[in-house]
Amino acid sequence: NAGVTQTPKFQVLKTGQSMTLQCAQDMNHNSMYWYRQDPGMGLRLIYYSASEGTTDKGEVPNGYNVSRLNKREFSLRLESAAPSQTSVYFCASGTSLGVEQFFGPGTRLTVL
Amino acid sequence: EDQVTQSPEALRLQEGESSSLNCSYTVSGLRGLFWYRQDPGKGPEFLFTLYSAGEEKEKERLKATLTKKESFLHITAPKPEDSATYLCAVQGGNNDMRFGAGTRLTVKP
Repeated sequence: NAGVTQTPKFQVLKTGQSMTLQCAQDMNHNSMYWYRQDPGMGLRLIYYSASEGTTDKGEVPNGYNVSRLNKREFSLRLESAAPSQTSVYFCASGTSLGVEQFFGPGTRLTVL
Repeated sequence: EDQVTQSPEALRLQEGESSSLNCSYTVSGLRGLFWYRQDPGKGPEFLFTLYSAGEEKEKERLKATLTKKESFLHITAPKPEDSATYLCAVQGGNNDMRFGAGTRLTVKP
């Protein structure tokens, strides 16, 4: 039981490049989330998926897209990376909205 | 707009010195208030969920309480291994999750 896994662990991009962050959970959870964490600002919700087949915007969705590929997987795509997207990205999952979330180990992204 | 403010930003305690962390919030239709612990370089780890004013939950040296405007995380007789950043979050009626910036706790032996 691996919980929530994220790939890659580290990534360096140049401005304008695109990439997809992958997230998978093996706990049969319905809800999945993407956050970014910046120093002094705490975690901010980018997008979430309440259940398979649905996605909704969070607090800071601009510059990102998501895909809920199936119940296990939820990916985050940066189409044209900008230095302001340098951050640590966390994926999380939960049985439903309004209950505790389980977090992955994070992806540290640097955009030059 | 939902908001979460945590205080203090940082707290240094001696081993055994009890204290409390504060989480003040404004939210439309509280679905839940959450406490997490985060160690450096790792993802947050769930501690407690509180759903309504007056509710309390305990786990080892930690106790979380909730009122209509704030939550407290009480730490009794802390040990060095309790050193971490403690995060508070609320989920409101619009399903958005809002986290506070956290309190960085250091417990000296």
